[in-house]
Amino acid sequence: EIVLTQSPGTLSLSPGERATLSCRASQSISYFYLAWYQQKPGQAPRLLIYGASSRATGIPDRFSGSGSGTDFTLTISRLEPEDFAVYYCQHYGTSPPRWTFGQGTKVEIK
Amino acid sequence: EVQLVESGGGLVQPGGSLRLSCAASGFTFRSYSMSWVRQAPGKGLEWVSYIFRSSTTIYYADSVKGRFTISRDNAKNSLYLQMNSLRAEDTAVYYCATVEDKVAANDYWGQGTLVTVSS
Repeated sequence: EIVLTQSPGTLSLSPGERATLSCRASQSISYFYLAWYQQKPGQAPRLLIYGASSRATGIPDRFSGSGSGTDFTLTISRLEPEDFAVYYCQHYGTSPPRWTFGQGTKVEIK
Repeated sequence: EVQLVESGGGLVQPGGSLRLSCAASGFTFRSYSMSWVRQAPGKGLEWVSYIFRSSTTIYYADSVKGRFTISRDNAKNSLYLQMNSLRAEDTAVYYCATVEDKVAANDYWGQGTLVTVSS
């Protein structure tokens, strides 16, 4: 069973700063099935990145994803006030078929 | 505009049953696979179940296998989750979400419905 570990648990930054979020898998996974979501309090998650590096429809280009193997990164180049939220990585595994989420990283205003 | 509206949540006693519904609009429902994802209060996201467009393929998380049943009615643009033998640990907001099968990502989500299992 693949476990996704996100770090740090909380990231305290100021608007305009760069945010770097990590998602580490317990074993090598296909980048094709690695996604990132943003969730604000009281709201449903929103898809940001799929296939490790492809932005979903309507997602600003300050959001970017990268990585392969066991290490994946979500980068927010310059934090906007609306970017302070919790971010989750997600992986789909085929044997057995299941989706796994990381525990989340909270990006908070410093 | 894509809309997913969940309903059917509420308070239920341990061992009880509940049926959740998800009404879809703004897209061709029968062309999308669907999933249920839940979130316990103050916790992270947990995938619950998946159903293919034509209902020919269904998956469950180990935590709900044998107790929950996912189904859909493409004529009614609706997704369902029958939950039996409910436990306190099933308490969560339940979201329905579309699945883009090519990349196995959830591109659209509903706002969720709260299920509370308590005596």
